[in-house]
Amino acid sequence: DAGVIQSPRHEVTEMGQEVTLRCKPISGHNSLFWYRQTMMRGLELLIYFNNNVPIDDSGMPEDRFSAKMPNASFSTLKIQPSEPRDSAVYFCASSFGTSGQETQYFGPGTRLLVL
Amino acid sequence: SQKIEQNSEALNIQEGKTATLTCNYTNYSPAYLQWYRQDPGRGPVFLLLIRENEKEKRKERLKVTFDTTLKQSLFHITASQPADSATYLCAYLTGNQFYFGTGTSLTVIP
Repeated sequence: DAGVIQSPRHEVTEMGQEVTLRCKPISGHNSLFWYRQTMMRGLELLIYFNNNVPIDDSGMPEDRFSAKMPNASFSTLKIQPSEPRDSAVYFCASSFGTSGQETQYFGPGTRLLVL
Repeated sequence: SQKIEQNSEALNIQEGKTATLTCNYTNYSPAYLQWYRQDPGRGPVFLLLIRENEKEKRKERLKVTFDTTLKQSLFHITASQPADSATYLCAYLTGNQFYFGTGTSLTVIP
């Protein structure tokens, strides 16, 4: 298995532009997580899906952030409009199960820089 | 609010020694803790999970302890090697939220 796939790996954009990050989870996994990592705040859970349904989006910083999972093999995280404070590494992770104890498999991350 | 803390300072140790990393949590008593390793430019990789009724768990050179009285987990790497150099993160789930510590950077000096 190729593992969790994220694209793009790097994104540089200007403030106010729309940014779309993409994730393909590991085949057969039914939970998908979006995280943001910064030096100051560490790794923060933004939202997670179970069986394509958003379970908890309380970590989404504000309405500029939205996430979708139209099917079991694809998810997007969109920022519109983007701001410099959104600069971070965004990770997608997937797991199988619903207890929360399952191992999460992380993708390589998307490094976002908003100028 | 939930909080999980790790030693923020980098840890440097000599090859062959035992590295000990600390994870402290407040305001909640998790049923389990997970430990991950993260290398530069990569996503975290799961290492070990320990449940509240397990005092200790081992995997090869790794050992994790869980003290619910102290609200603390210790992560040990015995006979450390330069290849163990990385950032180590602890995490727990409460409700629908996963909380990760900010990580401790470990450097093993040859």
